Amino acid sequence: QVQLVQSGAEVKKPGASVKVSCKASGYTFINYPIHWVRQAPGQRLEWMGWINAGNGNRKYSQKFQGRLTITRDTSARTAYMELSFLRSDDTAVYYCARMSGPLEAFDFWGQGTMVTVSS
Amino acid sequence: DIVMTQSPLSLPVTPGEPASISCRSSQSLLHSNGYTYLDWYLQKPGKSPQLLIYLGSNRASGVPDRFSGSGSGTDFTLKISRVEAGDVGVYYCMQALQPPFTFGPGTRVVIK
Repeated sequence: QVQLVQSGAEVKKPGASVKVSCKASGYTFINYPIHWVRQAPGQRLEWMGWINAGNGNRKYSQKFQGRLTITRDTSARTAYMELSFLRSDDTAVYYCARMSGPLEAFDFWGQGTMVTVSS
Repeated sequence: DIVMTQSPLSLPVTPGEPASISCRSSQSLLHSNGYTYLDWYLQKPGKSPQLLIYLGSNRASGVPDRFSGSGSGTDFTLKISRVEAGDVGVYYCMQALQPPFTFGPGTRVVIK
């Protein structure tokens, strides 16, 4: 069965960086893009960016340009989201999600990773 | 960016009764390929979002036929024919037409 398993919760200080992993299983990793979506407390879901797991091409939301880096390791079947220069308003649950091409929708999601930014 | 709005933001429902959620986009979600790039997700309390409806009106695998999606252009509706207690949570619409993909504010469904 398809699974996306994310790394554990993180607590970071303002100005630091965080790197969250998303390990895929149950399907051919390189055939599906991985997207990252975050949810700040009490807020709506917010799309951050995505990576083509096959060729590594990526696209980021303008909001995170310069701070966000999405990568993948095909041998480890794992995608990564690194956010730098963290601020308190980056405190959120970060999700990875697989996008199904035929569905044009996120058909599987990771369990979420809580990132807390606090001095 | 495409702006997504939803109404109502809170929806008290009675089990066995129908429910309806409206979603509107700031521009048409009709792709040149003829598909409408509007999806619906349910986020149950403490859980990750789960896909309910894709491309406007298609139920995702395992989703009961009590759920249906309709609409076109900029106006969309999610309907639950008979609400069950397990349907509580926050329902989000999302446009997948163009990055940045954007979500509505969510509609919180609670049992009366």
